[in-house]
Amino acid sequence: GAGVSQSPSNKVTEKGKDVELRCDPISGHTALYWYRQSLGQGLEFLIYFQGNSAPDKSGLPSDRFSAERTGGSVSTLTIQRTQQEDSAVYLCASSLGQGRSTDTQYFGPGTRLTVL
Amino acid sequence: RKEVEQDPGPFNVPEGATVAFNCTYSNSASQSFFWYRQDCRKEPKLLMSVYSSGNEDGRFTAQLNRASQYISLLIRDSKLSDSATYLCVVYTGTASKLTFGTGTRLQVTL
Repeated sequence: GAGVSQSPSNKVTEKGKDVELRCDPISGHTALYWYRQSLGQGLEFLIYFQGNSAPDKSGLPSDRFSAERTGGSVSTLTIQRTQQEDSAVYLCASSLGQGRSTDTQYFGPGTRLTVL
Repeated sequence: RKEVEQDPGPFNVPEGATVAFNCTYSNSASQSFFWYRQDCRKEPKLLMSVYSSGNEDGRFTAQLNRASQYISLLIRDSKLSDSATYLCVVYTGTASKLTFGTGTRLQVTL
């Protein structure tokens, strides 16, 4: 079946511009996660959605970052007034959400964001 | 101190060699442990979960030592296709997130 998809695959923007990154999770997965991976760094958790519960935003690095998930499916990560340090690969993952400790997270191919 | 620490490598080994990666975690309340594999410029994929009793999947063996807060991955009879970055991943049950190590890079050569 279809995996997690993300768009765009690459995004180049100028400092100060806003960007929107999209994630389509696997159908039927109630849990959705956003991570980012900077060059030479590990994956950094950003935000987590589970069903209709309030999202866990504990990983968002600043108030320039926000995310929403409409209809319990597609999610959009928005970065306002982008800075050069925002350059990274933004990865989305989804899981069944039936038991966090054992849920397997399936990752999308990521969006490579470059801020000039 | 990082929550999950790994030797970044790279580990350069010949085909057929046995190689072991280690990982330590700082949160003693951590509940679940995993190894993910990430190929160059690709997304991470689950390789295997790690259980207290140790578990094996073909050429791969994972071990967990809760007392020492230490996880290992052993790869026997390395193949060229094993070349990748191996990520140690820990779930603590709080903040609903996995914590990833920075990964250990493996390069298997002829």
